[in-house]
Amino acid sequence: DAKTTQPPSMDCAEGRAANLPCNHSTISGNEYVYWYRQIHSQGPQYIIHGLKNNETNEMASLIITEDRKSSTLILPHATLRDTAVYYCIVRVTGANSKLTFGKGITLSVRP
Amino acid sequence: DAGVIQSPRHEVTEMGQEVTLRCKPISGHNSLFWYRQTMMRGLELLIYFNNNVPIDDSGMPEDRFSAKMPNASFSTLKIQPSEPRDSAVYFCASSLQGMGNTEAFFGQGTRLTVV
Repeated sequence: DAKTTQPPSMDCAEGRAANLPCNHSTISGNEYVYWYRQIHSQGPQYIIHGLKNNETNEMASLIITEDRKSSTLILPHATLRDTAVYYCIVRVTGANSKLTFGKGITLSVRP
Repeated sequence: DAGVIQSPRHEVTEMGQEVTLRCKPISGHNSLFWYRQTMMRGLELLIYFNNNVPIDDSGMPEDRFSAKMPNASFSTLKIQPSEPRDSAVYFCASSLQGMGNTEAFFGQGTRLTVV
């Protein structure tokens, strides 16, 4: 699996959009971009994933650049409960696809 | 479905004792992952199974660690003998993998303390 690079931390104000960047310059054509988050003391939670088109669900939006070398996770209206570590992962699809976590980015939402 | 179920939630044991962690994946899922999380090393993938067969155990730290998946609804991670440096939170996750992409669902973890 290709590696990803994320800043160690960022913060944003409650109610504002949180834009979390991720670089994956060595991504292969068959690798997807996944985002998970981990709230303190809990297991990681899936947020969203995409291949090359932008994706949106009830939790977030994922914007992938045209060259696929970077992406941004957008939480449109951050709340205090969104304070967590966010992991950007690239992985292939298929039966024997492992899911490997890096260090992630710690998002702190301030009141 | 109740999600991925891990037991016990907390385990305190003495150095040298055998420890067995258990995981029940989500019904119908065909892949299962075991992770270990510490402050120093983050979230490490130890081993994962597909259709009950171990696919990659390169993350297993040493021979003291072993994992089994006797059937599609149960897996164990055993540490024998345990050491203080094994203290960590151990997570199990399951997913449905094949031609399509599916998300992995994680259990609540087992917090292991070896004294």
